[in-house]
Amino acid sequence: AQSVTQLGSHVSVSEGALVLLRCNYSSSVPPYLFWYVQYPNQGLQLLLKYTSAATLVKGINGFEAEFKKSETSFHLTKPSAHMSDAAEYFCAVSGPTGANSKLTFGKGITLSVRP
Amino acid sequence: DAGVIQSPRHEVTEMGQEVTLRCKPISGHDYLFWYRQTMMRGLELLIYFNNNVPIDDSGMPEDRFSAKMPNASFSTLKIQPSEPRDSAVYFCASSLGGTTQHFGDGTRLSIL
Repeated sequence: AQSVTQLGSHVSVSEGALVLLRCNYSSSVPPYLFWYVQYPNQGLQLLLKYTSAATLVKGINGFEAEFKKSETSFHLTKPSAHMSDAAEYFCAVSGPTGANSKLTFGKGITLSVRP
Repeated sequence: DAGVIQSPRHEVTEMGQEVTLRCKPISGHDYLFWYRQTMMRGLELLIYFNNNVPIDDSGMPEDRFSAKMPNASFSTLKIQPSEPRDSAVYFCASSLGGTTQHFGDGTRLSIL
């Protein structure tokens, strides 16, 4: 069984400040991990993914995440927040392929960016 | 390239009516997923297909819900009869090889 925990439901940062969104996972198989972003009235868009290659993963829009097996974490960061980053962010876990292809999502975190 | 296309984008109907949601996956993708998103329950996987065959429908809430994939380029999710608690945003996603899922823009369903 797989699960994802995203602590807190809302994070607020100032424009230009560091963004840190936390994600912890549980998986009985080597996990694939994903961060998706959802803007209002849109579907989910892939930010980045970890598929057992490099542990530091770079994504779109300046975001990156680091896979830490010892901490079962996959936190999302961005050095400097921009107003356009305001959205909802979802962490998700799956097994590699086949029967483990289901994505299990966290509850999501809403990111607000203050001017 | 065209992404996942869902129709309609919005649907408002009365309780008891049949509702049909449609999805066209990305050409060449072999997995198709249906999700429901609500404030209370977040994103829930309802069912997924591999090569047009349903693999896991354990997330389908009740017998009122059914999903089909008659060919590689089309899937439907039906609710009959619909109830107010079915109001949600329904997403379709597709993937190649079951890894990265690409989402449509969703159908916002309101049951009055």
